[in-house]
Amino acid sequence: AQKITQTQPGMFVQEKEAVTLDCTYDTSDPSYGLFWYKQPSSGEMIFLIYQGSYDQQNATEGRYSLNFQKARKSANLVISASQLGDSAMYFCAMRGDNTDKLIFGTGTRLQVFP
Amino acid sequence: DVKVTQSSRYLVKRTGEKVFLECVQDMDHENMFWYRQDPGLGLRLIYFSYDVKMKEKGDIPEGYSVSREKKERFSLILESASTNQTSMYLCASSLAGERYEQYFGPGTRLTVT
Repeated sequence: AQKITQTQPGMFVQEKEAVTLDCTYDTSDPSYGLFWYKQPSSGEMIFLIYQGSYDQQNATEGRYSLNFQKARKSANLVISASQLGDSAMYFCAMRGDNTDKLIFGTGTRLQVFP
Repeated sequence: DVKVTQSSRYLVKRTGEKVFLECVQDMDHENMFWYRQDPGLGLRLIYFSYDVKMKEKGDIPEGYSVSREKKERFSLILESASTNQTSMYLCASSLAGERYEQYFGPGTRLTVT
């Protein structure tokens, strides 16, 4: 069965510092995709970044980058130069082979302090 | 601009009532999804629709049904609401294909008393 694990229920980071949010996954599918979403206190889910299992390079989107280590089955989100507005819940999700359904982790609450 | 809307932000219903949650997307997406979100459990998929009148059960379909009569609209139905269905319900849509992200609505916080 497929599974996403986020072991950090909460993280703190000082403004302007970088932070890594952990995500490990378990799948036997040969092809899969990994997503990160942000959920601010207002509740809407915002897509951040995508990594395909066969992508040659780690994905980057502005201050977000995905540290993809396929052999270790990890897909950690790195946020550089944290801002107060980055305070939110962050969810890692996976899509398996031949499906458009996502499986989500339990999330990490990030708090950025001045 | 991409948009997914849900009929209510907050809803309070009594045990045993039939509850309809509506979701509309304006992006011509093939896929639509219903999730529930509970603290410490993340998002769990209730039902998924990949085309009009087509549906697939997710991880927790018990106590729920869905309807998709038009491409842009996906309804979640609680036939007889129970207190353990008190939760945040999130609707999402996406294009078909492995690289496409899901777009989410603002959520409906349902309380069943």
